[in-house]
Amino acid sequence: KNEVEQSPQNLTAQEGEFITINCSYSVGISALHWLQQHPGGGIVSLFMLSSGKKKHGRLIATINIQEKHSSLHITASHPRDSAVYICAAPRTSNYQLIWGAGTKLIIKP
Amino acid sequence: DVKVTQSSRYLVKRTGEKVFLECVQDMDHENMFWYRQDPGLGLRLIYFSYDVKMKEKGDIPEGYSVSREKKERFSLILESASTNQTSMYLCASSPLAGGYTGELFFGEGSRLTVL
Repeated sequence: KNEVEQSPQNLTAQEGEFITINCSYSVGISALHWLQQHPGGGIVSLFMLSSGKKKHGRLIATINIQEKHSSLHITASHPRDSAVYICAAPRTSNYQLIWGAGTKLIIKP
Repeated sequence: DVKVTQSSRYLVKRTGEKVFLECVQDMDHENMFWYRQDPGLGLRLIYFSYDVKMKEKGDIPEGYSVSREKKERFSLILESASTNQTSMYLCASSPLAGGYTGELFFGEGSRLTVL
């Protein structure tokens, strides 16, 4: 079992739909990262959170430390949200990040 | 605007050549990382550094070395390039946050092809 697991691997939705991407982890972590990578593009950090909820525009990230689970939500999705979304968590024992496999999101107009 | 700059976006090298990939950050970050990204394998850590002259092996250090002589610069060296090192190489930096990795900033990537 991977230490950081994302679901779903692929997600296709219509413009305007509410999107949820999940990340579960089995290690002790200090904080969880959500990042975005557009096709052919670089990787951009969206959120880093260690508790509760954070919101930036139409993106919302939540984390439940007890359940070792985080979600990334996109409200009113738009084709420009099409990208790969990746969660990553640093082990508390060292600096190394454990990466999820990524969720490929396609939003159709 | 914060920035992580990688020296080359695209490189083509021959088997056996020595390859240098350079990464510079202007944010005074302690942590710097080198990853490679391959289809279906995601991001894999090659080396990271948490201070000048300090380095730690990641998951796939074989065939690579690194150098961090100055805080802002982290270089990845392929001593003798091989075709299985054809990949996208990504540099990242982050501040320390309570002793751990803070927000990550990535460079645009360097796509290396070894013929």
